[in-house]
Amino acid sequence: DAGVIQSPRHEVTEMGQEVTLRCKPISGHDYLFWYRQTMMRGLELLIYFNNNVPIDDSGMPEDRFSAKMPNASFSTLKIQPSEPRDSAVYFCASSFGSGGPQETQYFGPGTRLLVL
Amino acid sequence: GDSVTQMEGPVTLSEEAFLTINCTYTATGYPSLFWYVQYPGEGLQLLLKATKADDKGSNKGFEATYRKETTSFHLEKGSVQVSDSAVYFCALTSILSNFGNEKLTFGTGTRLTIIP
Repeated sequence: DAGVIQSPRHEVTEMGQEVTLRCKPISGHDYLFWYRQTMMRGLELLIYFNNNVPIDDSGMPEDRFSAKMPNASFSTLKIQPSEPRDSAVYFCASSFGSGGPQETQYFGPGTRLLVL
Repeated sequence: GDSVTQMEGPVTLSEEAFLTINCTYTATGYPSLFWYVQYPGEGLQLLLKATKADDKGSNKGFEATYRKETTSFHLEKGSVQVSDSAVYFCALTSILSNFGNEKLTFGTGTRLTIIP
């Protein structure tokens, strides 16, 4: 298996622009997670899905952030409009969690976002 | 809420030295405990885990024992190598209910550098 795939790997954009990050989870996994990593705040869970349904979005910082999972093999995280403080590395992870999300999560390589 | 406190870094050791990275936790419910490792430019990978008290997780020469009495899960390795240089994250999940909030909570990470 190719593992969790994220695109793009790097994104540089200007403040106010829309940014879309993409994730393809491991085939057969039923949980998908979006995380944000910054020096100041460490690794934060933004949202997670189970069987394509959002379960907990309490970590989404504000209404500028939205996430979708239209099918089992694809998810997007959108920021509109983007701000410099959104600059971070965004990770997607997936797991097969018959017992819940405590099952092993497999992380993608991350998207490094820089908002100027 | 649940939390994880990790030894602050960075930690620099010589090759073949003994490693300990401290991790303590606060949780309700019955947490599972994890160590994840992040190599430069990559996503996180599960290093080891323990799901109940007194369990010992081990992998690649690393070990950690789930100590409920001290709420700790310290990571150890007897002889580190240059290739162990990475950021190490302690994490926990706890099952509150079948459909409760079961997310991973990460520590802030400890950067380890091994010098030849």
